[in-house]
Amino acid sequence: DAGVTQSPTHLIKTRGQQVTLRCSPKSGHDTVSWYQQALGQGPQFIFQYYEEEERQRGNFPDRFSGHQFPNYSSELNVNALLLGDSALYLCASRGTGIGETQYFGPGTRLLVL
Amino acid sequence: AQSVTQLDSHVSVSEGTPVLLRCNYSSSYSPSLFWYVQHPNKGLQLLLKYTSAATLVKGINGFEAEFKKSETSFHLTKPSAHMSDAAEYFCVVSALNFNKFYFGSGTKLNVKP
Repeated sequence: DAGVTQSPTHLIKTRGQQVTLRCSPKSGHDTVSWYQQALGQGPQFIFQYYEEEERQRGNFPDRFSGHQFPNYSSELNVNALLLGDSALYLCASRGTGIGETQYFGPGTRLLVL
Repeated sequence: AQSVTQLDSHVSVSEGTPVLLRCNYSSSYSPSLFWYVQHPNKGLQLLLKYTSAATLVKGINGFEAEFKKSETSFHLTKPSAHMSDAAEYFCVVSALNFNKFYFGSGTKLNVKP
């Protein structure tokens, strides 16, 4: 059983560009969350998707958007990239039962030049 | 509002000696608390979780944590450190619905031979 997978593993973009990151949840999971982990900091919650809708959102600008597909996989899109968007982007998935554990993927490391 | 404070950014111990990683939390609700470990270039792995059952929680790899409501603490301990324990550890608080995780800033554990 594959865990949470993310692609690509690394990405280099320039300021002003747009980027799309992808996540496949663990088998049986239908809820996907995205986190941003800047260097030397703990992950920060971006948003969560369930039933193809954004259910919760952290304190991130509208440049950050997402999507969830019928197979529960998800994308994170970031427009008009800034240098400060350089970070490790983590995807996490879980089932919908109360107390379900959240499992994290290995992340996509984004560098904005 | 919910937040987590990890009191030490770096902890260094000798192999075979006890480990103590300190975490204090703030939560408007009855909290769920977690400890995750992050090895370099790997995803976050759940060590243990507290969800209002027993206050002493046992996790993987010999780690355990005690929930102390009066002190708003959830410190992580291990009786005897192993070289393989060297990693970064994150304390996390969530509301019971687990929809949003709030991470601490992390504690880097160094284990000396």
